Amino acid sequence: GQQVMQIPQYQHVQEGEDFTTYCNSSTTLSNIQWYKQRPGGHPVFLIQLVKSGEVKKQKRLTFQFGEAKKNSSLHITATQTTDVGTYFCAGRALNKFYFGSGTKLNVKP
Amino acid sequence: SAVISQKPSRDICQRGTSLTIQCQVDSQVTMMFWYRQQPGQSLTLIATANQGSEATYESGFVIDKFPISRPNLTFSTLTVSNMSPEDSSIYLCSVEEWNGTYGYTFGSGTRLTVV
Repeated sequence: GQQVMQIPQYQHVQEGEDFTTYCNSSTTLSNIQWYKQRPGGHPVFLIQLVKSGEVKKQKRLTFQFGEAKKNSSLHITATQTTDVGTYFCAGRALNKFYFGSGTKLNVKP
Repeated sequence: SAVISQKPSRDICQRGTSLTIQCQVDSQVTMMFWYRQQPGQSLTLIATANQGSEATYESGFVIDKFPISRPNLTFSTLTVSNMSPEDSSIYLCSVEEWNGTYGYTFGSGTRLTVV
């Protein structure tokens, strides 16, 4: 069935290093969303990508949606300790959301 | 963005009993969703709460076990019925908003432990 695969599961970086998480869908998505969840917190919506090949930036965060609308990535430049948390993608297909398994980011100061 | 008040924040319940979780939104929203999240795991959509009609349930979730109410555009409840320890999880409501672009807001979650 429909699913969204997300890698890596964990990422440990030194503060200042870059970080990227990837999501891949088995089928074409109508859109994809990205969320951040801090330990003990609830998911916080970051962005939604809709168009094929779309690239959006939010300060140090860059989001991409693949040309085939089957994959997406979130890249963080020069990580900071405030970036710690789990990043989830959620692909939308046929009016349903399919969450990736999340990438847990740890940033060492 | 919308502000959601979700109650209770946590509860410990006896098996066989039921718990109703409430989400109150400070603005009218068309789409409301209910999710389940095991600690350290991803989110699983339980159902979409439709105003004025029956909720739309995802595969593996049924109305008898997870009845949902949506009496108006600002409020919804999820009941976890006849609970067993396997129902122990975090339950979250979420809303979709349109302010020129789509945005999604989650409630703070209900941590349920069934003993």
